[in-house]
Amino acid sequence: DTGVSQDPRHKITKRGQNVTFRCDPISEHNRLYWYRQTLGQGPEFLTYFQNEAQLEKSRLLSDRFSAERPKGSFSTLEIQRTEQGDSAMYLCASSLGTGDNSPLHFGNGTRLTVT
Amino acid sequence: AQTVTQSQPEMSVQEAETVTLSCTYDTSESNYYLFWYKQPPSRQMILVIRQEAYKQQNATENRFSVNFQKAAKSFSLKISDSQLGDTAMYFCAFMKHGAGNQFYFGTGTSLTVIP
Repeated sequence: DTGVSQDPRHKITKRGQNVTFRCDPISEHNRLYWYRQTLGQGPEFLTYFQNEAQLEKSRLLSDRFSAERPKGSFSTLEIQRTEQGDSAMYLCASSLGTGDNSPLHFGNGTRLTVT
Repeated sequence: AQTVTQSQPEMSVQEAETVTLSCTYDTSESNYYLFWYKQPPSRQMILVIRQEAYKQQNATENRFSVNFQKAAKSFSLKISDSQLGDTAMYFCAFMKHGAGNQFYFGTGTSLTVIP
């Protein structure tokens, strides 16, 4: 078990392009989260999966954003028609989900820069 | 809605000394969990310590301890015998009991340990 991994670590894209990020959670974790973190701020919740079901979506998640977890394992986060305001660190986290106090285990994040 | 406030954007402490980071939160929930996470520079966020709201006893993890005051909605982190490796951003987080397991994070405190 190597922890939560995210790919790529960095992504630079031009405004208007689409980007996709991948997250591989810890293998036995059934809960997976996406967060966004901008400079000087704490992580902001975007969305949450229990196995393959997307159970919650934040209002921050506009219709340009879509997340999937097709087989209940890895997840992808796609941003269409990127805007400069999308520049941020995108964090993935997973948890075991056997109890309500299961802590989050974070990946290293994907830093997105939209030029 | 839940809010988490960290009123100290930056703090510093001499190596081997003790430092306390403050956190307050606002909620109408009676059953919840509180966490402190550490994010070293360019590294992933890791869990430092957690506290269940129904437990009156303050949590302790080696050099890290909390002062949980439920009535005051305060959850401070004390780091004893500070080490250079403690230099990081520290985030306080709130999670309500029940469906979703959505975490709410504060804006963080940047702690620098001075040799």
